[in-house]
Amino acid sequence: DQQVKQNSPSLSVQEGRISILNCDYTNSMFDYFLWYKKYPAEGPTFLISISSIKDKNEDGRFTVFLNKSAKHLSLHIVPSQPGDSAVYFCAASAGSARQLTFGSGTQLTVLP
Amino acid sequence: SAVISQKPSRDICQRGTSLTIQCQVDSQVTMMFWYRQQPGQSLTLIATANQGSEATYESGFVIDKFPISRPNLTFSTLTVSNMSPEDSSIYLCSVITGGWGTEAFFGQGTRLTVV
Repeated sequence: DQQVKQNSPSLSVQEGRISILNCDYTNSMFDYFLWYKKYPAEGPTFLISISSIKDKNEDGRFTVFLNKSAKHLSLHIVPSQPGDSAVYFCAASAGSARQLTFGSGTQLTVLP
Repeated sequence: SAVISQKPSRDICQRGTSLTIQCQVDSQVTMMFWYRQQPGQSLTLIATANQGSEATYESGFVIDKFPISRPNLTFSTLTVSNMSPEDSSIYLCSVITGGWGTEAFFGQGTRLTVV
């Protein structure tokens, strides 16, 4: 049972446009959500997070939106840059347990 | 933040042998985790390794196959025992340095190929 789902394995966008990556979850106990970026041969790098008491968090070009009723979150990257090309993972944790449950990832390609 | 060093970064091993992966953190951390990323798959938690207690394994992972040591607050090892080609994966060490609402940091991973 996949508790965190990223239904789009890949996404291509033009440089300068908006990238929107989506993530759905099923476990209502999740209260903290994170986005990681991963380049080949490197470990995941933290991008941005949001707690369940918020519906939006913004950090520079990156904004994460959380819709608790729909159990859905999204990552917006504006403007997209070629260096943003990587695999993006959505992750979630529940309470004090702190271990992360990851989605399957979305390969983002930003075309120059 | 935390800087995590994993060794080796990659290895090619014969089936039936064992490999020990080391994870060194530049600061003392209570919570440490080991994840696996199989080819084309997501990251899956193997176990939680908190200092001073036995590692807690997730469903589908057992101590005999993946023994873990956590001798102090800056170091841990994961051993992949009696390897088969199905164990070919990237193994990742992760730590959390803060309270609730802080992110996890990851090492660069160990790419293991079993032949």
